[in-house]
Amino acid sequence: AQKITQTQPGMFVQEKEAVTLDCTYDTSDPSYGLFWYKQPSSGEMIFLIYQGSYDQQNATEGRYSLNFQKARKSANLVISASQLGDSAMYFCASYRGSTLGRLYFGRGTQLTVWP
Amino acid sequence: DAGVIQSPRHEVTEMGQEVTLRCKPISGHNSLFWYRQTMMRGLELLIYFNNNVPIDDSGMPEDRFSAKMPNASFSTLKIQPSEPRDSAVYFCASSLLQAGELFFGEGSRLTVL
Repeated sequence: AQKITQTQPGMFVQEKEAVTLDCTYDTSDPSYGLFWYKQPSSGEMIFLIYQGSYDQQNATEGRYSLNFQKARKSANLVISASQLGDSAMYFCASYRGSTLGRLYFGRGTQLTVWP
Repeated sequence: DAGVIQSPRHEVTEMGQEVTLRCKPISGHNSLFWYRQTMMRGLELLIYFNNNVPIDDSGMPEDRFSAKMPNASFSTLKIQPSEPRDSAVYFCASSLLQAGELFFGEGSRLTVL
C-alpha cells in the first residue's frame, strides 16, 4: 500500500510568518499525484494544492506552495504569511498510477497560528 | 454551485440498528468515494465507484457494510447491524476523474451506542 508519512503531529507558527508542513511518501510507481487538504475544526475537507509526479515545477496556489523533492520523496506544504484562519488539521495524500482512485492519506498535522 | 451533499449530518443509533448514509455527488462528476475518519485509523477509503460501478471495495471493513450507487446522482452506505466500533465520521467525495481532485461533503458523524 502507498504510505504517506507526516512526522509533525502539531506545529505552531506566529501570524504572518511562513510555516512548512512535512510529508514523505513511499512509492516505486513512476506516475503518482500528491494532494494537500485542510480540515478546520468544523470538519470539512478542503482541497489546497496538487502536484503530479511529472510536473516540472512546484505547484503554487496563492499562499500555498508545494516543495516537491522527487529524489527525497517529499512533498512539503509551505504556507506563507500565516493567518489565524489557517489553524486547522492538514493532510497530505497521494495516489499512484497503478491504483487510480485510491487516495492514501497521512495522519495529519495540527497547525496552530497564534497572534 | 452545489457541492457534495451528505445526509444525515449527525446520526445517533443503538447497537444492532441499521444505518443508511446518503450522498449526492457534484453533478457531472463520474467518480464517487466513501471514506471513514477515526482518531485511531485516520482517513480510510472504504469504496469507490467510477461511472456508478464499484471499482474497489477492499476497504469495506466487513460484510455488515454495503454501498450502492444506483445512478450518477446518488449513493448510499449502509451498515447493518451497526456496532459501537463503527462510530466515526463518514465522508463522501466525488471527482471528475479517477485521479483528480476530490471534493468532499461535510461528513456524516455516526455514533453507535
